[in-house]
Amino acid sequence: AQSVTQLDSHVSVSEGTPVLLRCNYSSSYSPSLFWYVQHPNKGLQLLLKYTSAATLVKGINGFEAEFKKSETSFHLTKPSAHMSDAAEYFCVVSDPPGGSYIPTFGRGTSLIVHP
Amino acid sequence: DTGVSQNPRHKITKRGQNVTFRCDPISEHNRLYWYRQTLGQGPEFLTYFQNEAQLEKSRLLSDRFSAERPKGSFSTLEIQRTEQGDSAMYLCASSAHRTGGQETQYFGPGTRLLVL
Repeated sequence: AQSVTQLDSHVSVSEGTPVLLRCNYSSSYSPSLFWYVQHPNKGLQLLLKYTSAATLVKGINGFEAEFKKSETSFHLTKPSAHMSDAAEYFCVVSDPPGGSYIPTFGRGTSLIVHP
Repeated sequence: DTGVSQNPRHKITKRGQNVTFRCDPISEHNRLYWYRQTLGQGPEFLTYFQNEAQLEKSRLLSDRFSAERPKGSFSTLEIQRTEQGDSAMYLCASSAHRTGGQETQYFGPGTRLLVL
């Protein structure tokens, strides 16, 4: 069985400061991991994905995430927050090829960016 | 726009009425997924299709819910005898599945349902 835990329901940062959104996963396999962003009244947008290639994954809008198998973590970071980054972020785990592909979403982390 | 589209974007209905939502996936995508998202939660899987075949259904999908993808392109999700607990955002996603390959799901904007 797979599961994902987003450790913070809300993260508040000032514009220009670093962002860290934490995610821990559980999977019986070597999973695929994703981060999605959801802006108000907008659809879920893929930020980045890990699929067993490089452990440091770069995504859109300056975000990146590092897969750490020993810690079962896939934390999302950005060096400098922008006001437009304020949104809901979801960490997602999915079984690898041969699995069901049914992804499991975390409960989400709301990123608040202060001027 | 060649992304996933959903209609309607919003639906308000009275308890006991039937509603139907439509999803048009990205044209070359063979898999289509339905999710439900309630306030403060991540999306929860409901069901998915590969082409026209419905391959898996969640226990969340009660007998009042039915989904179809008759020609392997667009899909509909119908809720019969709606209840207030059905109020949620219903999300559709599509992906290009290849045997043994990774896949990424692309989401539509969702249909927000309010049952009064």
